Amino acid sequence: EPEVTQTPSHQVTQMGQEVILRCVPISNHLYFYWYRQILGQKVEFLVSFYNNEISEKSEIFDDQFSVERPDGSNFTLKIRSTKLEDSAMYFCASSARINEQFFGPGTRLTVL
Amino acid sequence: AQKVTQAQTEISVVEKEDVTLDCVYETRDTTYYLFWYKQPPSGELVFLIRRNSFDEQNEISGRYSWNFQKSTSSFNFTITASQVVDSAVYFCALEENAGNNRKLIWGLGTSLGVNP
Repeated sequence: EPEVTQTPSHQVTQMGQEVILRCVPISNHLYFYWYRQILGQKVEFLVSFYNNEISEKSEIFDDQFSVERPDGSNFTLKIRSTKLEDSAMYFCASSARINEQFFGPGTRLTVL
Repeated sequence: AQKVTQAQTEISVVEKEDVTLDCVYETRDTTYYLFWYKQPPSGELVFLIRRNSFDEQNEISGRYSWNFQKSTSSFNFTITASQVVDSAVYFCALEENAGNNRKLIWGLGTSLGVNP
């Protein structure tokens, strides 16, 4: 069964460093999403991406964040200068039709 | 505004008990989808169910059942004869019908502990 994959599973970085979180969506999917979950809290929407551009972004998704689909298979989330409060689990999701999102296993980001 | 409320922060039951997790939502839209996800201790999000706002039929899947009441904006989830493996955080989520702008609005989650 096709699935969304994410790498790495855990990333530790120093405050101020750039990180790139990688996702490989399900191959025929057209809609892509990033969500984050601070430890013990609810899941929060960051950004949705369709047709090679951002469809919607939340207030969390400020200028420090960017997304890219560099090669037709990967979907990346970049944080330019990480802050302590960026420590969270980041989930990628994809969907073929709208309304059915499949989630990856998540990347746990720890900013020290 | 869109909002999902899961008033129960934590529930603890003994194995084989039935348990109901509550979810109440707010939306201005007439067309929307409701979801339940399970997050086990390993951290991944496991899809459980998606319900269209036009389909108010209750659904049963094994020990799981869902009660959608549009009149009270609730989408409650019942686990019958709970098992230790059901221990997880359960999230209710809402998605409105808004063109290509799709996002899930999540509740805070209910942490369910099933004790042997």
